Amino acid sequence: KQEVTQIPAALSVPEGENLVLNCSFTDSAIYNLQWFRQDPGKGLTSLLLIQSSQREQTSGRLNASLDKSSGRSTLYIAASQPGDSATYLCAVKGLGSWGKLQFGAGTQVVVTP
Amino acid sequence: DAGVIQSPRHEVTEMGQEVTLRCKPISGHDYLFWYRQTMMRGLELLIYFNNNVPIDDSGMPEDRFSAKMPNASFSTLKIQPSEPRDSAVYFCASSYTPASSSYNEQFFGPGTRLTVL
Repeated sequence: KQEVTQIPAALSVPEGENLVLNCSFTDSAIYNLQWFRQDPGKGLTSLLLIQSSQREQTSGRLNASLDKSSGRSTLYIAASQPGDSATYLCAVKGLGSWGKLQFGAGTQVVVTP
Repeated sequence: DAGVIQSPRHEVTEMGQEVTLRCKPISGHDYLFWYRQTMMRGLELLIYFNNNVPIDDSGMPEDRFSAKMPNASFSTLKIQPSEPRDSAVYFCASSYTPASSSYNEQFFGPGTRLTVL
C-alpha cells in the first residue's frame, strides 16, 4: 500500500528565504506526483504536476523535482513572501489505481514579514 | 470555466438527519472524485467516477454513505443517517484524461463544511 509522508509538518521562515518542502512515497510505481496549496478554509489549488518520466517542473518561483527511484519529491519556493503562507500537500497517483491520488498530510508554512 | 462547483458551502444538521452534498465538475472532465478532510485523518478519497460510472468506492466509510452521478455535470454524496463523526470538509474534484496520456491533473472545488450536532 502506498504511503506518502511530508516532513516537517510545519515550517516558519522569514520573508525572502527559500522554502524547501519534502515529500516521500513508499512505492515507486507511480504515474505522476502533484503538489497542491491549501489556504485556511479553502479548497486545494494545483501548483505543479510531474509525470513519472520527468525529473522536474517549474512555474515562476516554484520548482518541483522528482526522484522516483528513491521515492522523493521536493518543492522549492524561491524568495518566499508572506502570501506563500499556506499548507502544501503532495499527492501521488500510482500505477494500477487509475485516477486515484494518495495524499500526504501536508506541511504548514508560515512566512513572516 | 467556473471551476468545480459545490453546494452548499456550509451545512449544519442534527444527528440522524439526511445530508446531501452536490457537485458540478468542470465541463468536459471525465473523472469525478469525492474526498473527506479531517484534522485527524487528513484528506481521504471516498469514491471516484469515470464517465459517470463508479470505479472505486472502497473509501466509503460505511453503508450510510452513498454517491451518485446521474450525468456528466452533476454528482451527489448522501449521508443517511448522519452522525457527529461525519463532521468534516467534503471536497469534490474533477479531471480530464487525454486518450494518449496519463496526465490528469485534479481540480478541486471549494468544499462543503459539514457539522453534525
